[in-house]
Amino acid sequence: EAGVVQSPRYKIIEKKQPVAFWCNPISGHNTLYWYRQNLGQGPELLIRYENEEAVDDSQLPKDRFSAERLKGVDSTLKIQPAELGDSAVYLCASSLLSQESVYEQYFGPGTRLTVT
Amino acid sequence: AQSVSQHNHHVILSEAASLELGCNYSYGGTVNLFWYVQYPGQHLQLLLKYFSGDPLVKGIKGFEAEFIKSKFSFNLRKPSVQWSDTAEYFCAVNAGTSGTYKYIFGTGTRLKVLA
Repeated sequence: EAGVVQSPRYKIIEKKQPVAFWCNPISGHNTLYWYRQNLGQGPELLIRYENEEAVDDSQLPKDRFSAERLKGVDSTLKIQPAELGDSAVYLCASSLLSQESVYEQYFGPGTRLTVT
Repeated sequence: AQSVSQHNHHVILSEAASLELGCNYSYGGTVNLFWYVQYPGQHLQLLLKYFSGDPLVKGIKGFEAEFIKSKFSFNLRKPSVQWSDTAEYFCAVNAGTSGTYKYIFGTGTRLKVLA
């Protein structure tokens, strides 16, 4: 079974430039998460999708961040324009969700973003 | 607001020493509890989980964790660590019910095992 795929793995951009990250979740997983992980910290949720619907985007800085999950499979997270403080690892994860339970998440390798 | 606290940020042990990493959460309702591990150069992966039933759960590689509801704790243990256990360990709590739950991670504990 293929895991969660993310690209690119590394990205270096200058501030004020746009950047986009792509995620392909595990086949059949209806829930997709985007996290940001700063150095020395745990992952912090940016947005959670259940199928195509963004059910929790309360932590997403909407002035510069946007995300989409067309057809309920792949997802893209975009930052425009990037700021120095956006330097972090951006993680994508997927899981199953049922009425009975929330299952464990499977993480991708992450995209390490450096904004100069 | 819900939160997860991991009290040990850095732990250094010699091989064969026993390990206990603390995790406390703040949420009064139903929770699902997880420990994730990130080995150097690898992505986060599940170590063990607790949903219900026996509060002592066993995971991969000899790890176990005990859910103590009265203490809001889910501490991770291993009786004898190995050099290959060097990694960062994250406690996570899923609090709430379907449709309204929050998945919250602790800040992590970096474990270094000396050979």
